[in-house]
Amino acid sequence: GAGVSQSPRYKVAKRGQDVALRCDPISGHVSLFWYQQALGQGPEFLTYFQNEAQLDKSGLPSDRFFAERPEGSVSTLKIQRTQQEDSAVYLCASSLGQSLSTDTQYFGPGTRLTVL
Amino acid sequence: DAKTTQPTSMDCAEGRAANLPCNHSTISGNEYVYWYRQIHSQGPQYIIHGLKNNETNEMASLIITEDRKSSTLILPHATLRDTAVYYCIVRGPTGTASKLTFGTGTRLQVTL
Repeated sequence: GAGVSQSPRYKVAKRGQDVALRCDPISGHVSLFWYQQALGQGPEFLTYFQNEAQLDKSGLPSDRFFAERPEGSVSTLKIQRTQQEDSAVYLCASSLGQSLSTDTQYFGPGTRLTVL
Repeated sequence: DAKTTQPTSMDCAEGRAANLPCNHSTISGNEYVYWYRQIHSQGPQYIIHGLKNNETNEMASLIITEDRKSSTLILPHATLRDTAVYYCIVRGPTGTASKLTFGTGTRLQVTL
């Protein structure tokens, strides 16, 4: 079946612009995660949804970052007034949500955001 | 979640076994060891996970020491397509259990 898809794959924004990144999880997956990966580093957790509920947003770096999943399927990560330090790959992952500790997360290809 | 320590980089000849070590000396009894890999310009890919017993699937084998303070991921016959960054992650039901905490991983280079 289809895996996790993300769009766009590449996004270039001018500093100060707002951007919206989309994630389509695997069908039937309850849990959805967003991670940020800076160049040369491992991914870092941003936020977590179970269905439409955002249960953990402890990793969001500032109030310019906002994520939503209104119908419990597709999710959008929005970054307002982008800054150069926001340049990174944004990864989305989904999982069945059956068990918090052993649930396997499947990742999308990521969106590479470059802020000029 | 427990912290992991991995070598920064390793080389392996194609066709040979690649053995990637990971230290997790502060692991708790209910924490799992997960391995993911990330091929250049792709998202992380799940490989395998285990709690206490050794595990094997179509991709790899995971050997966990009896005291669970370290583990080894084994790719039995490495190919050029196995060149990637390999992440060892410890994950358990404490705190925010759902998230994965990645370190910097081991960069495996498979050569001819």
